[in-house]
Amino acid sequence: DSGVTQTPKHLITATGQRVTLRCSPRSGDLSVYWYQQSLDQGLQFLIHYYNGEERAKGNILERFSAQQFPDLHSELNLSSLELGDSALYFCASSGSTVSGNTIYFGEGSWLTVV
Amino acid sequence: LAKTTQPISMDSYEGQEVNITCSHNNIATNDYITWYQQFPSQGPRFIIQGYKTKVTNEVASLFIPADRKSSTLSLPRVSLSDTAVYYCLVGGYGGATNKLIFGTGTLLAVQP
Repeated sequence: DSGVTQTPKHLITATGQRVTLRCSPRSGDLSVYWYQQSLDQGLQFLIHYYNGEERAKGNILERFSAQQFPDLHSELNLSSLELGDSALYFCASSGSTVSGNTIYFGEGSWLTVV
Repeated sequence: LAKTTQPISMDSYEGQEVNITCSHNNIATNDYITWYQQFPSQGPRFIIQGYKTKVTNEVASLFIPADRKSSTLSLPRVSLSDTAVYYCLVGGYGGATNKLIFGTGTLLAVQP
């Protein structure tokens, strides 16, 4: 158990809909990263937040947005969903005195768009 | 941005030592090198991290030469359960403004 919690674990939704994925980082971790992994594909970096502020953006679509709240949990919002958005979405965290320079991943949220 | 290059795949047999090398020619001074293991449909799992020279833990060793432009993950006596994708990740973590970009990873297939 990495200590990073993601909900929901599985989600099935229709095209055009909007979903929110939630991430609770490891205790004390200030950084949260979001990644997308499509079937048989690599890990695509989406966005990085540090202590509530956006620090870096990857290939994140304009239909996607994220935020990190004062309690350090993060949400990834996916809107106007398309079939191609079906993927595993991972959250990772780092930055506490315990985690230090290591990022730890959650088990992911499986999104299926039908 | 430190880009990483790894072999796409490797084959091994149970009980052998496996060495996977990652190239990262433009590594920055404050970058660490971290290796992850990923099984299908699971989150990447931390294996080992280093900055320079050699690091060893209960599951692997990490060798980093003085110029830090490459690193080698060494898995002693692999078993079938070590069949997975292995990623090396280079970056300065924590609050730094960074994009932690994963490479393509190396698919290690361990055979009986």
